[in-house]
Amino acid sequence: GAGVSQSPRYKVAKRGQDVALRCDPISGHVSLFWYQQALGQGPEFLTYFQNEAQLDKSGLPSDRFFAERPEGSVSTLKIQRTQQEDSAVYLCASSLVGGPTEAFFGQGTRLTVV
Amino acid sequence: AQSVTQPDIHITVSEGASLELRCNYSYGATPYLFWYVQSPGQGLQLLLKYFSGDTLVQGIKGFEAEFKRSQSSFNLRKPSVHWSDAAEYFCAALSGNTPLVFGKGTRLSVIA
Repeated sequence: GAGVSQSPRYKVAKRGQDVALRCDPISGHVSLFWYQQALGQGPEFLTYFQNEAQLDKSGLPSDRFFAERPEGSVSTLKIQRTQQEDSAVYLCASSLVGGPTEAFFGQGTRLTVV
Repeated sequence: AQSVTQPDIHITVSEGASLELRCNYSYGATPYLFWYVQSPGQGLQLLLKYFSGDTLVQGIKGFEAEFKRSQSSFNLRKPSVHWSDAAEYFCAALSGNTPLVFGKGTRLSVIA
């Protein structure tokens, strides 16, 4: 596609429910990033893939958060047993290669846990 | 620890007035620097970036930024603000193998 696509755009989950957020990066982009943006804050790094390899997951806040990119293209961020503090916008970005290149961001998924 | 600081949470300017948004970074070596803009409900759009060379960089929508090593700053400027510039602006930095680190953002309001 023309840009990074994320789905769903909005998700309301009951506390304790599992959710899965999808990211379709720009075709051919090697690197893929997930960020969490709380209301009124800047994006905070969660995890990074280069192709199918998860090179950095230091930003995942707990073991309830899990990300995968099995074929080096589409990625899924899964949150198990959601908590209210998980409510945020989850942004996905992709870039052509690693290193200091422009990362293109999707519009994000707004997750609200009630 | 590596960090990016945007000292101003909210700035209001009149349409047609000039604008400067501040950004300071704390890194061991000079990082690569970026400015992004985020409109309500939208993703982040890159305005400009600095990797090396000329310390005054031009971006889209009439924005520019100046890298000042002595001040560890990368301030964003625009000579004449338009109402459509109202948005959230994020400064970000990237160094080595570390991920892109964002500041907390500055919300720009534009009044008539």
